[in-house]
Amino acid sequence: QQQVKQSPQSLIVQKGGISIINCAYENTAFDYFPWYQQFPGKGPALLIAIRPDVSEKKEGRFTISFNKSAKQFSLHIMDSQPGDSATYFCAASWRAGGGADGLTFGKGTHLIIQP
Amino acid sequence: EAGVTQSPTHLIKTRGQQATLRCSPISGHTSVYWYQQALGLGLQFLLWYDEGEERNRGNFPPRFSGRQFPNYSSELNVNALELEDSALYLCASSLAVEQYFGPGTRLTVT
Repeated sequence: QQQVKQSPQSLIVQKGGISIINCAYENTAFDYFPWYQQFPGKGPALLIAIRPDVSEKKEGRFTISFNKSAKQFSLHIMDSQPGDSATYFCAASWRAGGGADGLTFGKGTHLIIQP
Repeated sequence: EAGVTQSPTHLIKTRGQQATLRCSPISGHTSVYWYQQALGLGLQFLLWYDEGEERNRGNFPPRFSGRQFPNYSSELNVNALELEDSALYLCASSLAVEQYFGPGTRLTVT
């Protein structure tokens, strides 16, 4: 059972445009939702994360929007640049004992920014 | 500040052999997580160690095991290797909630 569904699988955006990636989760126990960026041959890098008591979080050109009632969250990349071309993963977890349990990942979105 | 390091970078084994992968967390981090990134299967949680104890494991058979040492480094052992174990194995470390990943070990089983 896939607990985090991510779409689209691939996305092409023109330079300067807005890239939008969506995720939906099933487990209402999740209370931590990070996004990771992965370049070929590298490990995933933490981009931005949100908790369900907040509906939006912005860091630079990256914004997470969170809809608790719909069990959905999305990543918006403003003013997309060719250097943003990478695979993006949403994930979810729950906090446990001062830390957080293992992450459940979406399948990933391959983003290409065309110059 | 040094990030998460993993060794070796690449590992080639034969079916039925054992593989040992190593991870050094970011200095000060006490939790280590292991993930498998296999083609077509995405990133899947394997194991979580904190303060030397196994806290949770994902949906993997017992031949996937590991441990965390007093200096918080960790190793992942995969016994009785199968062809489908070929994947990138990623280690992440954490002090609280945020997990930071290393570059991974590419395991190839022939």
